[in-house]
Amino acid sequence: NAGVMQNPRHLVRRRGQEARLRCSPMKGHSHVYWYRQLPEEGLKFMVYLQKENIIDESGMPKERFSAEFPKEGPSILRIQQVVRGDSAAYFCASSPTAIKANYGYTFGSGTRLTVV
Amino acid sequence: DAKTTQPTSMDCAEGRAANLPCNHSTISGNEYVYWYRQIHSQGPQYIIHGLKNNETNEMASLIITEDRKSSTLILPHATLRDTAVYYCIVRTPTDSWGKLQFGAGTQVVVTP
Repeated sequence: NAGVMQNPRHLVRRRGQEARLRCSPMKGHSHVYWYRQLPEEGLKFMVYLQKENIIDESGMPKERFSAEFPKEGPSILRIQQVVRGDSAAYFCASSPTAIKANYGYTFGSGTRLTVV
Repeated sequence: DAKTTQPTSMDCAEGRAANLPCNHSTISGNEYVYWYRQIHSQGPQYIIHGLKNNETNEMASLIITEDRKSSTLILPHATLRDTAVYYCIVRTPTDSWGKLQFGAGTQVVVTP
């Protein structure tokens, strides 16, 4: 049973380009959560999605960032017109539909975005 | 929101027990204590969680004081692979699922 899969592992983008980060949840999981870790900083929650729905986007920057989790395929975190401050590690986690009140989330290995 | 306080860093000798403290003096009665760790450049790894009672699994033990204002994560026999940043997190029930508030954590270095 594969864990949470993220790709690419490393992504280099020039300023102004778009970055697309993909997260495939564990088999049978329909909830996905994205986190960002800036250099030398802690992990910060960004967004929580269920299939075709955004549940909580309270941690998402107001501009240039968007996320989706379509009915088919992986969840996508999209960053438009990247700037150097977007350079960070982006992690996602997933959970099953029928979730217990408290659950130990499994995280992927992350995507390291470098903006040059 | 309940907050946690952890030492910035600690060293532990290989083969010895590592005892990682965490203070959460403002914790509410229905808030759980979670522990995660992050080995360098990897994604966070869930370790254990608990509410009131002490908990044990194959990775660690969690000891929560009776007043719930602090807890200790115990790694019974630390190995070099346990070198990581350890995060103590109090999960607020009103937060949406998956919304964990990571702090700075404790950098644990296990030495030979």
